[in-house]
Amino acid sequence: DAGITQSPRHKVTETGTPVTLRCHQTENHRYMYWYRQDPGHGLRLIHYSYGVKDTDKGEVSDGYSVSRSKTEDFLLTLESATSSQTSVYFCAISESGSGYEQYFGPGTRLTVT
Amino acid sequence: SQQGEEDPQALSIQEGENATMNCSYKTSINNLQWYRQNSGRGLVHLILIRSNEREKHSGRLRVTLDTSKKSSSLLITASRAADTASYFCATLTSSNTGKLIFGQGTTLQVKP
Repeated sequence: DAGITQSPRHKVTETGTPVTLRCHQTENHRYMYWYRQDPGHGLRLIHYSYGVKDTDKGEVSDGYSVSRSKTEDFLLTLESATSSQTSVYFCAISESGSGYEQYFGPGTRLTVT
Repeated sequence: SQQGEEDPQALSIQEGENATMNCSYKTSINNLQWYRQNSGRGLVHLILIRSNEREKHSGRLRVTLDTSKKSSSLLITASRAADTASYFCATLTSSNTGKLIFGQGTTLQVKP
């Protein structure tokens, strides 16, 4: 796993509580992504970042926000968690020079009860 | 909606046989990539084929791309039990953002 860590790896939280997931990279890659993976839906992009403080929405961004204050960290926040946000969340990084092939973190399994 | 549609959704073969997975997409692409995901793990990049390429090889992997049909195939030759995993195609449609659109994947089981 190319220098990407995610924390926490597992989390159980209650509906209505805020949750922050962290992605940390040591590769100095410019681009970072947050995906969620659900059965029957494959991998869906939530938000992505193309530089420090530069972020944009993906396909399923409602209920999520992100921040990137340093190259190495990309935070995903669920402002008020709902049961529909129970999922496995993956962070990925890439660079333009390699055709944007992405390197993925190990994932965070989030359960909202 | 997903750009890539993969076929079949599930495939079960014996060790030593070849496995072929197909991916179709809807819009023009910059490149197409294939990833593998072992159960409970993150995706791992396998191979990238650019829109001006027709075929690419990497070890036991062979990827073809037909831009006129908007389709790609991944062939794994001489499959091993360790190839058991889910395989995803992903398309790069914009060279500015690096956003990939993933298909829903093919689950491959290789029986020893």
